[in-house]
Amino acid sequence: RKEVEQDPGPFNVPEGATVAFNCTYSNSASQSFFWYRQDCRKEPKLLMSVYSSGNEDGRFTAQLNRASQYISLLIRDSKLSDSATYLCVVNLGSTGRRALTFGSGTRLQVQP
Amino acid sequence: GAVVSQHPSRVICKSGTSVKIECRSLDFQATTMFWYRQFPKQSLMLMATSNEGSKATYEQGVEKDKFLINHASLTLSTLTVTSAHPEDSSFYICSAIGLAGVYEQYFGPGTRLTVT
Repeated sequence: RKEVEQDPGPFNVPEGATVAFNCTYSNSASQSFFWYRQDCRKEPKLLMSVYSSGNEDGRFTAQLNRASQYISLLIRDSKLSDSATYLCVVNLGSTGRRALTFGSGTRLQVQP
Repeated sequence: GAVVSQHPSRVICKSGTSVKIECRSLDFQATTMFWYRQFPKQSLMLMATSNEGSKATYEQGVEKDKFLINHASLTLSTLTVTSAHPEDSSFYICSAIGLAGVYEQYFGPGTRLTVT
């Protein structure tokens, strides 16, 4: 079983749509959680951290359910510029000193 | 935010040669750097953890004699792919965290290696 599993995608959605990505992780000792965005042939960039209480950053909302070991990302009012691969990422160390474990990513294509 | 650079950004080499990739933290001191590899349409996979002044810790299945890592200073780590083969062709990405235990890891822009 993969340590971090994501929806396989790709998700093809029209501009303005709301889209949700899901992710599960296998290690219950995981301490911190993130969503990263990766554009084609580029390095991943941090989109947002994910907290147990859930958190929102503009059009993006992330949720964490530790009991179910489940993480989600909701994107509202999709823009063309949101087209990318979204990586679910967990970290065993809360201080950031442990390496990140990446999911395989879900590709989003927002269409005009 | 903090900046991490990698050099070269792209390299093509012949089978059997060695390639060195540099990862530099430009505006902070990085006590720990991580090296990842990403094959097409796959996720980033951790290869090794590099701590300044000590030997790197390699992940299972990664040959330490083939992928030589040196973290000689707080701002520089190098990955040398020795005797490269076509199956080593991949996107190599480093990340770094700082002295103060900076929560976020900062990624370099990656190096695309093609072995012919």
